Amino acid sequence: QITLKESGPTLVKPTQTLTLTCTFSGFSLSTSGVGVGWIRQPPGKALEWLALIYWDDDKRYSPSLKSRLTITKDTSKNQVVLTMTNMDPVDTATYYCAHRRLAYGWFDPWGQGTLVTVSS
Amino acid sequence: DIQMTQSPSTLSASVGDRVTITCRASQSISSWLAWYQQKPGKAPKLLIYKASSLESGVPSRFSGSGSGTEFTLTISSLQPDDFATYYCQQYNSYSLTFGGGTKVEIK
Repeated sequence: QITLKESGPTLVKPTQTLTLTCTFSGFSLSTSGVGVGWIRQPPGKALEWLALIYWDDDKRYSPSLKSRLTITKDTSKNQVVLTMTNMDPVDTATYYCAHRRLAYGWFDPWGQGTLVTVSS
Repeated sequence: DIQMTQSPSTLSASVGDRVTITCRASQSISSWLAWYQQKPGKAPKLLIYKASSLESGVPSRFSGSGSGTEFTLTISSLQPDDFATYYCQQYNSYSLTFGGGTKVEIK
């Protein structure tokens, strides 16, 4: 059974850097074709894809946020870390991580999500 | 980026109704489309992949169709558990995008 769980601060100040960790089980990021993605959802709004990392360390970013995002993996810890710089109140959202296979295109399953509020 | 436009944004329906949600892509995405269901405070759940393939465990009243730029999600007979928000997602391109969502409300 694949499970993922996001962790990180619930409150960050404007201009600060956000660091979120996705800890997963039931699969390995050293297995060919496996990936983990990050998606966010502002309160009451739609989903927005942010970043992806694959088993071979291939990394992909949303073009609109690429300059602010970094995704890394720690295979030994079964973790994926997302950093987002220069946080702004508009970045207030629930941040999800999710499992993805290169051969497929969808995300399944997803973590429960973590709400991050950006406020001074 | 490929833009995904869902309609309607909100839909009011009754239990037993047949419900259809549309998702349009700004350019052809072949059949590279997924549908998700999201309930308040919960993560999205995969319903349909490759436009029309039903995810294991999803009730057969859900179905998907379409290719190219126009896709539909149909619930053949709406059940109380189906009141939720539905999102489409394209995975044809490097940059993944979601639709704006369709909230299915109780009439």
